[in-house]
This record gives sequence, C-alpha cells and structure tokens, in this order.
Amino acid sequence: RKEVEQDPGPFNVPEGATVAFNCTYSNSASQSFFWYRQDCRKEPKLLMSVYSSGNEDGRFTAQLNRASQYISLLIRDSKLSDSATYLCVVSGAGSYQLTFGKGTKLSVIP
Amino acid sequence: GAVVSQHPSRVICKSGTSVKIECRSLDFQATTMFWYRQFPKQSLMLMATSNEGSKATYEQGVEKDKFLINHASLTLSTLTVTSAHPEDSSFYICSASSVRGANTEAFFGQGTRLTVV
Repeated sequence: RKEVEQDPGPFNVPEGATVAFNCTYSNSASQSFFWYRQDCRKEPKLLMSVYSSGNEDGRFTAQLNRASQYISLLIRDSKLSDSATYLCVVSGAGSYQLTFGKGTKLSVIP
Repeated sequence: GAVVSQHPSRVICKSGTSVKIECRSLDFQATTMFWYRQFPKQSLMLMATSNEGSKATYEQGVEKDKFLINHASLTLSTLTVTSAHPEDSSFYICSASSVRGANTEAFFGQGTRLTVV
C-alpha cells in the first residue's frame, strides 16, 4: 500500500461545480495533514492544514477521519483559477519530513 | 509566513558539467531542508534530507556522489548535480519545515528547472 494515495484524476468540472478529492494514508502515527496546491511548473503552496475537527476556508473545506486514515478536500463554486494539481501531504509527529501523494489534477472549464 | 528562496530558477547546461542550486530560508533557521525532484506529470519525489552540520541522508536509488548536498549554515543548503546528463533534466525543489508542537508546515523554494543538453 502506498504511503499516501489520492484519487487519480483528472477532474474536469464546469465553473460553479462542487468537487471533492479524497486521500488515504497508511501510517497511523501520522500527525499533521495538509492540502497543497501546485500550478504547472511552479512549486507547491500550502492551501490549508487539515484538523480532526474539520476546517473551512471560504469555498474550501477539509476533513480528517483518523479512524479510517482518510482526508478529503471539498471545493464549492469552482472557479477557473482553481485549476491546478492538489497534493495530499502527511507528516509524522514532530517530524520535519513530509510525504506527498501523487496529486490530483483539477481543470475547471468555462 | 516563512519564505524559502531557491536559485537559479532555470538553468541549461551541457552534459558532463556540474550545476549548483541554492536554497535559503530567509526569515527562519532551518536545521533540516529537503530536496525533491519532479519529472513531468509525476509527483514530488524526495531525493535527500539535508542536515545542518552533518551529512545528508539520501533516499534509496539516489546517488550521493552525483547529487552533492552541503548544509553549512542554518539558512543555506546547496545541491550540486555533478557530471550532469540529459536524464538529470528535471524540476528540483527544496523545502524547509517549521515544527510547532505536533504540527509541521513545509515552505518551498520556487524550484529550479534544469535542462541538460
């Protein structure tokens, strides 16, 4: 089983649609969870951290289910500018090292 | 937020030459930095962990004699691709992490696109 596994994508959705990405991780000791966004030929940038209670930032909602070792990202009212690759990222307790999923590519279509 | 600066952003070199890439943490000290490589349409793959004042830790399959890492200060790590070949052409990205309690956040450099001709 891969350490961090994501939906393969690509997701092609119309503007205004709601889209959800899923991610599972294999290390039950993992402590920190993130969604990063990577635009083509650019470095990844933090989109949001994921907390056990779930968290929301505008149109973006992240959820964590520790029992199932599952993380999700929901994007509402998709914009053209949301087109990017979304990376699920996991780290261990107090660990500097992050493990990345392969990413899910999203294309929002006019 | 924390900033990591990587230089150069793009480099083209001839086969057999060496290329040095710098990664600097601008407003925080980074005892540990990471070097990743990303081939087109592939995920970020960790190459090595750079430790200030000690030897780097390389991932399996990464040649330590080919990818030289130096982390001489708390704000600078360098990756030197020695005797570069066309198959080394890739996007190289460094990152430095800040640990606060049980939470870790990674800050990335802008990346270096290396083309070996």
